[in-house]
Amino acid sequence: DVKVTQSSRYLVKRTGEKVFLECVQDMDHENMFWYRQDPGLGLRLIYFSYDVKMKEKGDIPEGYSVSREKKERFSLILESASTNQTSMYLCASSLWAAKNIQYFGAGTRLSVL
Amino acid sequence: GESVGLHLPTLSVQEGDNSIINCAYSNSASDYFIWYKQESGKGPQFIIDIRSNMDKRQGQRVTVLLNKTVKHLSLQIAATQPGDSAVYFCAENGGPRGGTASKLTFGTGTRLQVTL
Repeated sequence: DVKVTQSSRYLVKRTGEKVFLECVQDMDHENMFWYRQDPGLGLRLIYFSYDVKMKEKGDIPEGYSVSREKKERFSLILESASTNQTSMYLCASSLWAAKNIQYFGAGTRLSVL
Repeated sequence: GESVGLHLPTLSVQEGDNSIINCAYSNSASDYFIWYKQESGKGPQFIIDIRSNMDKRQGQRVTVLLNKTVKHLSLQIAATQPGDSAVYFCAENGGPRGGTASKLTFGTGTRLQVTL
């Protein structure tokens, strides 16, 4: 089974802190994604990556950055957390050849106080 | 801008009945339309997809219908079971064929509640 693991289920941070959300997948997938999920808004894509050291902006990249130094790991960084970044963050991965099938982690619920 | 949206935020069906979850889309250039299921406390899980040149595709207990004329997508679940209770998202893949990782654009979701 494909496994996408997010390092934390719950995080509480203070405004202005630098926050790292980590995601690891074990199926050698080329593509990795970071979404945030908010009630009534569905899933919105923040950033995605199709290869090591490659990244592309999604629909809402402002206030976020990403890092992909190894194929299996994709990190989401909040340089200076703000209260409007309180949300559920979901990581996903997919094979290049099967782009419609994304495998998701269980999510990290981030609260910024 | 382009968007994918759902008609009903919550759908309640009795166990054993068929469920129909609807979705309207606006990007007629999308290659694929996809359905995901998200159970409580879990990430979304792929259910089924349909290519834009098809009208219907069937899986195990699920059928997806695509009506390009009115830009409408639906997911039908036969003999709905308690385990089908979840939030269902439609999504579209408008990425370039053979290109880099294609973005999926997700709708806002419909909650399916199965009553006994």
